[in-house]
Amino acid sequence: NAGVTQTPKFQVLKTGQSMTLQCAQDMNHEYMSWYRQDPGMGLRLIHYSVGAGITDQGEVPNGYNVSRSTTEDFPLRLLSAAPSQTSVYFCASSDQYNEQFFGPGTRLTVL
Amino acid sequence: AQKITQTQPGMFVQEKEAVTLDCTYDTSDQSYGLFWYKQPSSGEMIFLIYQGSYDEQNATEGRYSLNFQKARKSANLVISASQLGDSAMYFCAMREDPPNFGNEKLTFGTGTRLTIIP
Repeated sequence: NAGVTQTPKFQVLKTGQSMTLQCAQDMNHEYMSWYRQDPGMGLRLIHYSVGAGITDQGEVPNGYNVSRSTTEDFPLRLLSAAPSQTSVYFCASSDQYNEQFFGPGTRLTVL
Repeated sequence: AQKITQTQPGMFVQEKEAVTLDCTYDTSDQSYGLFWYKQPSSGEMIFLIYQGSYDEQNATEGRYSLNFQKARKSANLVISASQLGDSAMYFCAMREDPPNFGNEKLTFGTGTRLTIIP
């Protein structure tokens, strides 16, 4: 049981490049979400999904896209990277009644 | 809308002493859950403890306990007999509980950095 996995662990992009952060969970959780963590600001919700085919925006969705074709996977796409998207990104999953389990995070730098 | 406030950006505590990390919250939900997570320097988010708003007793998990004062809207984390390994960032979070479909999302505070001094 791997829990929540994220790839890559580290990534450096140039402004304007696109990329996809991968997230997968093997706990059969319906709920998955993406957060970004910036110094002094805690974790802020980017997008979330309550099941395959269902996604919605969180607090800071601009510049990011998501899709959920399977229960297990919830990738986050950066369409055209900007320096303001330099951050640590966490994926999390949960069922309806218990705590959210977090992945190890992806540290992204946009130059 | 939900809001979590953690007013202590940093704390220094002597090893083996108890420490209280403050968390106040605001919500219009009738039923909600409060969570504490630990983030060590390695970066992962570790779940520590949960308190439901209708739980009559304060939650405890080993050396962690939650001092829940509903009327004051506070959910302070108490760590007894602190250890060097407790040095980390600590985040308070909340959500509707049990969450209606689509309301599973957590709202986080800005965190408290705890440093345990040998």
